[in-house]
Amino acid sequence: QSALTQPASVSGSPGQSITISCTGTSSDVGGYNYVSWYQQHPDKAPKLIIYDVSNRPSGVSNRFSGSKSGNTASLTISGLQAEDEADYYCSSYTRRDTPLYVFGTGTKVTVL
Amino acid sequence: EVQLVESGGGLVQPGGSLRLSCVASGFTFSSYEMIWVRQAPGKGLEWVSYISNGGGTISYADSVEGRFTISRDNAENSLYLQMNSLRAEDTAIYYCARTLTARFDFWGQGTLVTVSS
Repeated sequence: QSALTQPASVSGSPGQSITISCTGTSSDVGGYNYVSWYQQHPDKAPKLIIYDVSNRPSGVSNRFSGSKSGNTASLTISGLQAEDEADYYCSSYTRRDTPLYVFGTGTKVTVL
Repeated sequence: EVQLVESGGGLVQPGGSLRLSCVASGFTFSSYEMIWVRQAPGKGLEWVSYISNGGGTISYADSVEGRFTISRDNAENSLYLQMNSLRAEDTAIYYCARTLTARFDFWGQGTLVTVSS
């Protein structure tokens, strides 16, 4: 159960678009369309922002979008806003005999 | 309104035990899978354990296998994590989260576990 690989930090100016990658293996990210993304502000619980690779829960801004190619998933934040400054984590389903999950290493997004 | 409220954290010596609880409200608890996730101070998220809605399927991260036990009481709308043989590296905020088809759509506020002598 190795953590998925994310860049440690990504930054952008207000209004710009940024993309965060999440690289796994064919046993997790590449093997299932069960990648989700979470936003975490300081001292707060994580919040689901993307599920099943590219779906947004009700109430989440359409500035957040997700995709996947092979063993790498991506989160794009368009029209970057100050409130988007937070930590972002991807997660993927995997399994041996039972369901298992793995998180990414996390990415700190800074709005310049 | 969906709510998950964790409790049971605290300071424990290495080798000790703690039992965490997570009380759910605002949804039909017995219809949902649940997980525990932890976050060490200043670190990232780590999935800890999973339990199916009926409790018949359980899994653990390698880091806690054999030391932690997940369980649930659907009649009491409660999820538990029994943690034995605790180590310093188990120090973290522990979150419970509702799980729906591999997505964790609601999270509790977390409970802090500190393992130290």
